[in-house]
Amino acid sequence: QVQLVESGGGVGQPGTSLTISCAASGFTFSTYGMHWVRQSPGKGLEWVALIWSDGSKKKEGKSVEGRFTISRDNSKNTLFLQMNSLRGEDTAVYYCARDRAAAPGANGHSYGLDVWGQGTTVTVSS
Amino acid sequence: ELAQSPSVAVSPGQTATIICSGDKLGDQSVSWYQQRAGHSPLLVMYQHNRRPSGVPERFSGSRSGNTATLTISGTQPLDEADYFCQAWDSINAVVFGGGTKLTVL
Repeated sequence: QVQLVESGGGVGQPGTSLTISCAASGFTFSTYGMHWVRQSPGKGLEWVALIWSDGSKKKEGKSVEGRFTISRDNSKNTLFLQMNSLRGEDTAVYYCARDRAAAPGANGHSYGLDVWGQGTTVTVSS
Repeated sequence: ELAQSPSVAVSPGQTATIICSGDKLGDQSVSWYQQRAGHSPLLVMYQHNRRPSGVPERFSGSRSGNTATLTISGTQPLDEADYFCQAWDSINAVVFGGGTKLTVL
């Protein structure tokens, strides 16, 4: 059964750091690009970051660039998001999602995110 | 940026049309996601008109110029959800539309 399970969410104060994880199972993790997507309460989906299947390319969205870092450990089938200098506007449910391609955007196109986790909640509050 | 109308309402059995527009959408592959209340998003269409396995045939997609359309024929109450379009942007990588809330009256 193809599955993504996020963990590590919680409550943090502004300016602090938090790392969330996503455990993959049921598919060959090392052959898929991966993403983090977040959703603030009552709002739409916001893309956060992507990483190619081999980890050779990463990209973060403008709202988190320089503060958040995506990484993966293919030997442990796990995706990570390290979040530094947290702000109130980072409060959201964070989803990990599998890309249908190994190298998302390599040819200037996206072919969809076909597997999503259940999400982990991050709350930033003093 | 991808623009979507905030809401669409249909009666059961009718056809629901959800539109997504963007300046460069004509050059892009468009995906659509369904998100029911309290659930994670689900891919229902990719590359404009390709349905993932398990998605009912009543879901179809198309693109004309800079507008992409998700059509649900014979809409059922369980189709009530938020729908998001998504494409690739050379600057921002993955971009999502703001979402359309489909209400099945």
